Amino acid sequence: GAGVSQSPSNKVTEKGKDVELRCDPISGHTALYWYRQSLGQGLEFLIYFQGNSAPDKSGLPSDRFSAERTGGSVSTLTIQRTQQEDSAVYLCASSLVRVGDQPQHFGDGTRLSIL
Amino acid sequence: AQTVTQSQPEMSVQEAETVTLSCTYDTSESDYYLFWYKQPPSRQMILVIRQEAYKQQNATENRFSVNFQKAAKSFSLKISDSQLGDAAMYFCAYRGYGGSQGNLIFGKGTKLSVKP
Repeated sequence: GAGVSQSPSNKVTEKGKDVELRCDPISGHTALYWYRQSLGQGLEFLIYFQGNSAPDKSGLPSDRFSAERTGGSVSTLTIQRTQQEDSAVYLCASSLVRVGDQPQHFGDGTRLSIL
Repeated sequence: AQTVTQSQPEMSVQEAETVTLSCTYDTSESDYYLFWYKQPPSRQMILVIRQEAYKQQNATENRFSVNFQKAAKSFSLKISDSQLGDAAMYFCAYRGYGGSQGNLIFGKGTKLSVKP
């Protein structure tokens, strides 16, 4: 059975470049989340999508960060004009519903390194 | 705003022994969920155990159990008969019961080492 798939696994880019990170959630999961994990830190919530509702963007650290979810499935997190402090592991998770005790299933993450 | 605190950055346990990882949280809500996730070097977050705040009985999953103290806002994880494969980062997480609180709020994690 397919779990949450993220690509690329690792991304190295120069400061100032734009990057796109992809997340393919588990089929049928209506809720999708993006988190950021900086070195030695816990996971920091960025954004989540629930079905066709407007996304909750309250965790995005700046307007350089944006995300979209097409057709209620695949999601892309975009970071424009990358900075060195953007270096982190970006984790995507999905769940059947937004709330309740439904567990969030995580992908393996994308390790982003900004030179 | 809700916060989750893990006061032990690192812990070590001898194989086959028992270890307890601490977690405290702060919330004004009466209903919520608490989780422990394990993150091995592969980076994938794996759900270990979960607890509904309205349930007084402590959750148990095989060798893993929790001590949930709602009044003290404490949620510790006990690992019995520790195995080498238990070595990983462990994260405590909080999730609101309803409304817009869908995302998890994580502590900074505890790195667990298991000695053979």
